[in-house]
Amino acid sequence: AQSVTQLDSQVPVFEEAPVELRCNYSSSVSVYLFWYVQYPNQGLQLLLKYLSGSTLVKGINGFEAEFNKSQTSFHLRKPSVHISDTAEYFCAVTATQAGTALIFGKGTTLSVSS
Amino acid sequence: DAGITQSPRHKVTETGTPVTLRCHQTENHRYMYWYRQDPGHGLRLIHYSYGVKDTDKGEVSDGYSVSRSKTEDFLLTLESATSSQTSVYFCAISVTSGGNNNEQFFGPGTRLTVL
Repeated sequence: AQSVTQLDSQVPVFEEAPVELRCNYSSSVSVYLFWYVQYPNQGLQLLLKYLSGSTLVKGINGFEAEFNKSQTSFHLRKPSVHISDTAEYFCAVTATQAGTALIFGKGTTLSVSS
Repeated sequence: DAGITQSPRHKVTETGTPVTLRCHQTENHRYMYWYRQDPGHGLRLIHYSYGVKDTDKGEVSDGYSVSRSKTEDFLLTLESATSSQTSVYFCAISVTSGGNNNEQFFGPGTRLTVL
């Protein structure tokens, strides 16, 4: 079985500051990793995903994440945030077997202020 | 959005009544899922389906049942709704080919309130 821990429930930052949202996972098998974003009163949108290959993955809206197998982490970063990045962010893991459900972390609320 | 719709989008019901939520997809995907989202808990898997009439339980399946009589529809039923089932319910499909490898696409959600 897999599990995900998002280490910060809330992250307040000022506009144009860098941000890192932390995610650790646990699994006894190979995994795929995802970050989803949920804007207020909306559904979930995929930000980026790690399937294999390069450990640094780039996603939409200037976000990137680095897969670290030895530390079982998949932290999300953005060098300069905007007010519009205010949202809830979910890290998720799934085994590589086709059709395996995603296991989600509890979410991190990113609040960007001016 | 992978052609996923959910109905109803909002529902208010009373404790003890049965409720059925519908998820409909237009792209013939094999795998479908129901999650619930609650503050502080993220999304938790209720039930999932790996084909017509093939379903299994997830982490929080108590009080819920599902049915999938055709590929495009996945129904979630609360046999006797309780206040603890007040939540936002998301349906998802999994794309397992073409490089998407278990990436899930989500429907718009159903906000259910049980009074």
